[in-house]
Amino acid sequence: AQKVTQAQTEISVVEKEDVTLDCVYETRDTTYYLFWYKQPPSGELVFLIRRNSFDEQNEISGRYSWNFQKSTSSFNFTITASQVVDSAVYFCALTYFNFGNEKLTFGTGTRLTIIP
Amino acid sequence: NAGVTQTPKFQVLKTGQSMTLQCAQDMNHEYMSWYRQDPGMGLRLIHYSVGAGITDQGEVPNGYNVSRSTTEDFPLRLLSAAPSQTSVYFCASSYSETANHGTGELFFGEGSRLTVL
Repeated sequence: AQKVTQAQTEISVVEKEDVTLDCVYETRDTTYYLFWYKQPPSGELVFLIRRNSFDEQNEISGRYSWNFQKSTSSFNFTITASQVVDSAVYFCALTYFNFGNEKLTFGTGTRLTIIP
Repeated sequence: NAGVTQTPKFQVLKTGQSMTLQCAQDMNHEYMSWYRQDPGMGLRLIHYSVGAGITDQGEVPNGYNVSRSTTEDFPLRLLSAAPSQTSVYFCASSYSETANHGTGELFFGEGSRLTVL
């Protein structure tokens, strides 16, 4: 069985601070995909990233960066110089390596509030 | 390009009523899924489909039926609504990896908020 744990239920930081959202996963599969999604107050789910398990290089996209460590089963997400628009619920998710993303296991989410 | 379209966006039902949440995608995706989102529980998979005519159960399938008669449509049916089915429902779709498309994104609809009284 697969499991994704986002232990931080809620985080608040002052604007321009850096913040890291933790994601720890469990799986018996040797190859798998990890995702991050953002859910702003409007409710839609916004795709941020998908990484596969055989690519442990860290990823940077603007103010966003992801640290994938297979040794600790973690896929943490850092926002640098946070902005009010980053306020949202962030979900980490996992699926086994397959032909389609039809079966994702989601964490319970971290609600991030950026204080102006 | 509309992406994934869900209807209705809001619905109130009485216990025991039936209804269908519609989901349509215009991206020719093979893979489609239904999730429900409840406070503090993230998103949980209800049913999924890997192509027309093929469906299977996810983590929380009880009380829901699905069918996939076309590639585009994947309706979710509540046969006899219960208050425990009050939730926000998301439909999602994605490409087959063999098609080697883009970022591997799972595309979501805007969600349908269902209240069962």
